[in-house]
Amino acid sequence: EIVLTQSPGTLSLSPGDRATLSCRASQSVSTKDLAWYQQKPGQPPSLLIYGTSTRATGIPDRFSGGGSGTDFTLTISRLEPEDFAVYYCQQYSASHLTFGGGTKVEIK
Amino acid sequence: EVQLVESGGGVVQPGGSLRLSCAASGFTFTNNWMHWVRQVPGQGLVWVSRIDQRGSGTAYADSVRGRFTISRDNAKSTLYLQMNSLRVEDTAIYYCATDVRVDDKPFFDPWGQGTLVTVSS
Repeated sequence: EIVLTQSPGTLSLSPGDRATLSCRASQSVSTKDLAWYQQKPGQPPSLLIYGTSTRATGIPDRFSGGGSGTDFTLTISRLEPEDFAVYYCQQYSASHLTFGGGTKVEIK
Repeated sequence: EVQLVESGGGVVQPGGSLRLSCAASGFTFTNNWMHWVRQVPGQGLVWVSRIDQRGSGTAYADSVRGRFTISRDNAKSTLYLQMNSLRVEDTAIYYCATDVRVDDKPFFDPWGQGTLVTVSS
């Protein structure tokens, strides 16, 4: 089973800042297999990005994803107030589906 | 509007059973695989189970295999999770999620609001 490790655990930033979130896999992951979700307090997760870099419907272009192999990133170019949330990466490989532990983006 | 509404959560003693339901609307239910994902409040997400469009193919996380059974009623656009032999560590919010396959890879969109299952004596 592939383990996804997200870092940092918490990111303290201000509105307008750039956020860079990391997701590291214990084994190489195909770029097709990697997704990112956003979860706000009291709400279910929502799909942000799939296939490493494709934004889901309605997701603004300040969100971007990249990476390959074992290292993937989610970048938020300029944080808006509604972007402060927890972000999870997810992978699917060899019939096993796992999530990372999450990165909380909080207001500094 | 695409909507998933879970129900059936509650408090149950260790060793007990619960059946969760997830009523789907706003999309063609029979087009999609469906999943259950759980989350201990304040913690991360854990995949639990999935079922294919017809209900003939299922898969489970090791932690629930043999105790949980996923099923669906396409005529009612409803997904189920029968949970038996419940353990304290099964305590979590249970979400149903729609599988939007891309290149045969499962991604989840949308998710239901979740139903809380508490296993406690």
